[in-house]
Amino acid sequence: AIQWTQSPSSLSASVGDRVIVTCRASQGIITAVAWYQQKPGKAPKLLIYDASTLENGVPSRFSGSGSGTDFTLTISSLQPEDFATYYCQQFNNPPFTFGGGTKVEIK
Amino acid sequence: EVQLAESGGDLVQPGGSLRLSCAASGFTFSSHAMSWVRQAPGKGLEWVSGISGSGGVAYYADSVKGRFTISRDNSKNTLFLQMNSLRAEDTAVYYCAHHSEVVPRNSYLDYWGHGTLVTVSS
Repeated sequence: AIQWTQSPSSLSASVGDRVIVTCRASQGIITAVAWYQQKPGKAPKLLIYDASTLENGVPSRFSGSGSGTDFTLTISSLQPEDFATYYCQQFNNPPFTFGGGTKVEIK
Repeated sequence: EVQLAESGGDLVQPGGSLRLSCAASGFTFSSHAMSWVRQAPGKGLEWVSGISGSGGVAYYADSVKGRFTISRDNSKNTLFLQMNSLRAEDTAVYYCAHHSEVVPRNSYLDYWGHGTLVTVSS
């Protein structure tokens, strides 16, 4: 199974900060990667698919990039509603594994 | 509007069985693959199993292979997860999720249910 190294596992940031989350896959997965946001007690929400395509309705401050093994989620200017946990997931090869998550907390 | 409603979560003893259901509405059910994703208390997301729109192709996580079976009834717009030989480490909230395409591979999860809690304990 494809393994993920997602970093950092947590971070503290202030409103307005630029935040970068990275995921590294154990083998190449082209661009079959999605990013999700999850808030406590809620289901995950799709943010980005195909590594860099923004889901409808998701603010443009979110962006994704990467291909092969290295992928990045960027929040250009952190907003109060963005404090949550973020996960990457690959869809290239089953099982469709998730990264371990990055918890974004208020500094 | 896509709606997914899971049910069937319960407290079950180790070694026991449980069947989860996910009632789907708001889309053509047979045209989309579906998956189950779980989240143990305080832990991250774990993809469990996925099935194609026709039901002809299914995939499983290594942790559940041979114990869990995914299936679907396209006439009733319902997804199932039969869970046997349950272990304490299967304790989690189980989410039903809708794929963007008819096959699970290379199609992302764009709609999620609210989840159902499975607790495995004596």
